[in-house]
Amino acid sequence: EVQLQESGPGLVKPSQSLSLTCSVTGYSITSNYWGWIRKFPGNKMEWMGYISYSGSTSYNPSLKSRISITRDTSKNQFFLQLNSVTTEDTATYYCARYRPHRSTFDYWGQGVMVTVSS
Amino acid sequence: EIVLTQSPTTMAASPGEKVTLTCRASSSVSYMHWYQQRSGTSPKLWIYETSKLASGVPNRFSGSGSGTSYSLTINSMETEDAATYYCQQGSSYPYTFGAGTKLELK
Repeated sequence: EVQLQESGPGLVKPSQSLSLTCSVTGYSITSNYWGWIRKFPGNKMEWMGYISYSGSTSYNPSLKSRISITRDTSKNQFFLQLNSVTTEDTATYYCARYRPHRSTFDYWGQGVMVTVSS
Repeated sequence: EIVLTQSPTTMAASPGEKVTLTCRASSSVSYMHWYQQRSGTSPKLWIYETSKLASGVPNRFSGSGSGTSYSLTINSMETEDAATYYCQQGSSYPYTFGAGTKLELK
């Protein structure tokens, strides 16, 4: 079974970079697409971006200047970096498998809460 | 960007009651997907391509709609159905989610 697990610091200072790791087991990240989604306090959810099986990326235009998604295929992990964070980036961050032929996110990690605060 | 508006924001239903949740899109989309999120857990794909149930989803759930109006229906509310339900569109970039409907047990 596909399993995803997010990890990373739970507290980041404003203006710094947020870096998260998604570790995938049960499926190779060199197949399919792998994305990041965040849920803000108050329940709004936002698709942030994804990385494909080939390493190509697609990002939400609202984040395009600040976001980078990369991967390490040897560890079957992919990563999120979000630069110049503000308190508005406080959210629970989820990694998920994206199925482009259905445009759905079918397996999700348990999520990691990240607070941006000085 | 397509904005998805879910209604109601919150509701309560009694066991056995029929429940309908609505998702309206600001522009026409080809399909709507739905996710269930129970308290303390991550979202689960629940209904995809408007009306197809994800693996393991009870058949008391159904989905319908087209264009800008979509709905998720529970034929007979059960305790385990208490959760927040989100709609999501993948027809237009960037992919967007609704703000969710919190369904509580009465």
